[in-house]
Amino acid sequence: TQLLEQSPQFLSIQEGENLTVYCNSSSVFSSLQWYRQEPGEGPVLLVTVVTGGEVKKLKRLTFQFGDARKDSSLHITAAQPGDTGLYLCAGESDSNYQLIWGAGTKLIIKP
Amino acid sequence: KAGVTQTPRYLIKTRGQQVTLSCSPISGHRSVSWYQQTPGQGLQFLFEYFSETQRNKGNFPGRFSGRQFSNSRSEMNVSTLELGDSALYLCASSSTGFSTDTQYFGPGTRLTVL
Repeated sequence: TQLLEQSPQFLSIQEGENLTVYCNSSSVFSSLQWYRQEPGEGPVLLVTVVTGGEVKKLKRLTFQFGDARKDSSLHITAAQPGDTGLYLCAGESDSNYQLIWGAGTKLIIKP
Repeated sequence: KAGVTQTPRYLIKTRGQQVTLSCSPISGHRSVSWYQQTPGQGLQFLFEYFSETQRNKGNFPGRFSGRQFSNSRSEMNVSTLELGDSALYLCASSSTGFSTDTQYFGPGTRLTVL
């Protein structure tokens, strides 16, 4: 069974600080997606990484796919209160093309 | 373009009852997927419909069923509700349903089973 573990489960920091959240697995994924979900809303896709070692930037957010395509990280620089939300990663299974979801990292940025 | 809509937004039911949730996808999208989201468990895939046919199914008991209509609107039904069915039920639509295709999620239906 393929699993994606996200860490930390919960993170509360002050505005302006930097942070990194992780998405790890022992399985290889064809691609990995990151979503942000705000209270009362469904997840919204932020980025998809496909190639091992790939780095993508979205303003202050930097996403990296591990060289072996088993893990990924999301780094936020100078966090803002608007970054508050639940960050979810989802990997596309190599075997059946279905998405495997992590449980999420709940991020709170305090003004 | 209107987003994915789900009705109702909130439901309270008692054990043993059944419930039907509705999802209207983005216009032109033919794939609708359903997920159960619980704290600490993430999103669990229920099933995916494309052009009125169930194409993929997750590991949920037969009490969970769904269907899709010719206009791509989808419904999900849960019979004989259990306390553990309390969750946020999300639907997502996409053009093709392939995992490389962007999924657009609705706001979800919050189901509470008492």
